[in-house]
Amino acid sequence: EAQVTQNPRYLITVTGKKLTVTCSQNMNHEYMSWYRQDPGLGLRQIYYSMNVEVTDKGDVPEGYKVSRKEKRNFPLILESPSPNQTSLYFCASRRGTGPNQPQHFGDGTRLSIL
Amino acid sequence: GENVEQHPSTLSVQEGDSAVIKCTYSDSASNYFPWYKQELGKGPQLIIDIRSNVGEKKDQRIAVTLNKTAKHFSLHITETQPEDSAVYFCAASLYSGAGSYQLTFGKGTKLSVIP
Repeated sequence: EAQVTQNPRYLITVTGKKLTVTCSQNMNHEYMSWYRQDPGLGLRQIYYSMNVEVTDKGDVPEGYKVSRKEKRNFPLILESPSPNQTSLYFCASRRGTGPNQPQHFGDGTRLSIL
Repeated sequence: GENVEQHPSTLSVQEGDSAVIKCTYSDSASNYFPWYKQELGKGPQLIIDIRSNVGEKKDQRIAVTLNKTAKHFSLHITETQPEDSAVYFCAASLYSGAGSYQLTFGKGTKLSVIP
């Protein structure tokens, strides 16, 4: 089954404790991205990657890091999480970087930073 | 960059009635407009999309219309059912440089279908 898998689905942690949210897709997609979803703000892109070893900032990159060492994986790293990063996070992938490309989302990771 | 406005933010309809959600975009170069449905506890799922060279597209009870001149597009759901209750997002795709197209999302519409 074609899917984007995120882990963990839920995480409660404390300020300053480094964490990683993993994302994996099994569709051989070139393009992957991370979004955060906050009430009243919709989906905002954090980082994206057009291919292995190619990453770039989205609209809200501050406080986040990503890496793309393999095509299928695109982890999101919070080196020193803060309470304002409490949010619902989605990983997404699509076949390529061109237009008209349907985007597939994971089921989300709810992060709470105390 | 692109800016997408979505209205209304909440919508309640009686089962069997129609629902319409409207979006406007700011950059006339945007060329692809998908709609996503997000059910509770799930990620957004693509339900229908339209390209800039098409004015209307239908898929069973769902249709999308695009007015390029006015820079707005709408989602129409007919004969609504309780399982249509969800949050719906519109989006617009715009070339952002370096060979990449980026999606900008509206803020979402929470649709409630009352049995």
